[in-house]
Amino acid sequence: NAGVTQTPKFQVLKTGQSMTLQCAQDMNHEYMSWYRQDPGMGLRLIHYSVGAGITDQGEVPNGYNVSRSTTEDFPLRLLSAAPSQTSVYFCASSYSPVAGGQETQYFGPGTRLLVL
Amino acid sequence: AQSVTQLGSHVSVSEGALVLLRCNYSSSVPPYLFWYVQYPNQGLQLLLKYTSAATLVKGINGFEAEFKKSETSFHLTKPSAHMSDAAEYFCAVTSGGATNKLIFGTGTLLAVQP
Repeated sequence: NAGVTQTPKFQVLKTGQSMTLQCAQDMNHEYMSWYRQDPGMGLRLIHYSVGAGITDQGEVPNGYNVSRSTTEDFPLRLLSAAPSQTSVYFCASSYSPVAGGQETQYFGPGTRLLVL
Repeated sequence: AQSVTQLGSHVSVSEGALVLLRCNYSSSVPPYLFWYVQYPNQGLQLLLKYTSAATLVKGINGFEAEFKKSETSFHLTKPSAHMSDAAEYFCAVTSGGATNKLIFGTGTLLAVQP
């Protein structure tokens, strides 16, 4: 199994440009999520999905869009990039949570995004 | 609402010394707690997790953590540090209910001196 894969590894954007960060997993996990990591702030949840066709907002969803058309893929779209979206983005997946969220989440290697 | 506090953003130990990374949580429901490690330029890897089966949890690479409800703590320890332990460590709690949303602490960067 490849686990959780993310592309690209690194991207530079200009303010106002749009792009899609790709995330795929081959573990047949129902639950997928996107986090951003900023220095001194840990990881914060952007959006998550509990299954194909179902998505919901996390802690910091503004400026991002997601969809889940298949179990395997969960792309993150930046609609109009801003310098505040410069960050490292991680995708994660797990089996469906049972009784309050004890399932281990598996993380991808991350995408480093720089918005100028 | 649940939250996690990691005391000490930077911790430095000598090789062979005890590693102690602190994590305190706040939760209105019985928590599930996790420790993740992040090596430079990599994703996060699970070290261990507490799911109420046992209060002392053993993880990979010789790490362990003890869940103490009375102190609302879940500190991470390793008896003898190795150079390869140098990394950033994150404590996290799930937000409860029927979701798997992780609430992360701000991280502790561990340096190991020779």
